[in-house]
Order: sequence, then C-alpha cells, then structure tokens
Amino acid sequence: AQSVTQPDIHITVSEGASLELRCNYSYGATPYLFWYVQSPGQGLQLLLKYFSGDTLVQGIKGFEAEFKRSQSSFNLRKPSVHWSDAAEYFCAVGLFSGGYNKLIFGAGTRLAVHP
Amino acid sequence: NAGVMQNPRHLVRRRGQEARLRCSPMKGHSHVYWYRQLPEEGLKFMVYLQKENIIDESGMPKERFSAEFPKEGPSILRIQQVVRGDSAAYFCASSQYGTGGLNTEAFFGQGTRLTVV
Repeated sequence: AQSVTQPDIHITVSEGASLELRCNYSYGATPYLFWYVQSPGQGLQLLLKYFSGDTLVQGIKGFEAEFKRSQSSFNLRKPSVHWSDAAEYFCAVGLFSGGYNKLIFGAGTRLAVHP
Repeated sequence: NAGVMQNPRHLVRRRGQEARLRCSPMKGHSHVYWYRQLPEEGLKFMVYLQKENIIDESGMPKERFSAEFPKEGPSILRIQQVVRGDSAAYFCASSQYGTGGLNTEAFFGQGTRLTVV
C-alpha cells in the first residue's frame, strides 16, 4: 500500500542552524511529491512540489528538497533556520488514480527553533 | 482572489448533535477535497467531490458522514450524531483541475476544529 513516512516526530534546532526533515514514501510509480507547512491554528501552505525533471526543487521561504528515487526519499532542507520556521511540516505523495491525484500525507514533523 | 474559505473555524457540539462544516473553494476551482486531522496525526483523505458529483469517498466513514458539493454554494461535510471520536480538525482543499499533471496543486483552507463534548 502507498504510504508516507516521516521518521522524526519532533525536531529542535537553534536559530541559524541548518535543517533537514526526512520523508520516505512507498509507491510503485514515479510519485508527485509535496511538502506543506502548517503553523499553529492555520491551514496548510505548500512549500514546494516535485513532478518530474530536476530532482532538486526550490520552494518558498528558502526551502529546498531533493528527490532520490533509489532511496524513495524526498527530504526537505534549509541552510539557515529562522525562528518563524517553527511549525509542523508534512510530506505528501500524490497518488494518481481514477483520473486525479489524491494526497497521502505523512504524520508530520514538528519543528521547534531555539533562539 | 480569496483563498479557500471554511466556516466555522471552531465548532462545539454535544454528543448526538449534527455538525455541518462548510467550504467555499477558490474562485474558478471546481474540485474539492476533505481531509481530517486527528490530534498528533497527519491529514487523512476523506472525500473528493466535483460540482454535484462525489468522485471518491473511499476515506469517509460508512455511517454518519456525508458530503455534497452543489451546483451553487459551498461544499458541505455533514456529521450526524457526533461522538467524541469525531473531534478533529477538518480541512478542505480545492484545485482547478482534478487530473494528474502540473496543475494538481491543491490549496487548503484554515480548517474547522470540531470539538464534541
């Protein structure tokens, strides 16, 4: 069955430090991959997406993610974290079935940023 | 162009009551998706609708839950005879196109947080 795994439930980093959030997926075909961010009490905002082509994708707010087919991974990175990045991050895979994409989400990684 | 609008933002219901959650998609979007987020969990797909049609309801509980997206007006997620386990955040998303491809981005609303007491 298709699934998305985010191994880290909570991550704490210091402001200015680099960040990598892990995401692994299980899907038979080439997936559509997404990263969303959810601030407390808010909806989800799309950070970036991968459909095809260059495996390193750039997103908003200085985030990037790299698709590695051999590892079934789509890890999110940021070179220098800001305090405003504290939020919950969700990785998702778009399953194309029946003529449309259904998003399957991971359980999320909650990021805390220390000053 | 307003984003996806959900109301109410917070809803409190007693056990056994009905809950109605509304979602107005972005202008020009005719595809609506409902997701449920239980505490400390990710979002789980519930249902996908187009105008006047339910396309995929594989994530909907078999009883008490229903959804509609009429020709005019918002999409409605209806939960009858709510129980404590229905307490969750319910998110709606909309997209311009429902098929695969580059235009599959779904935009999410801010959610309705349902509390059953």
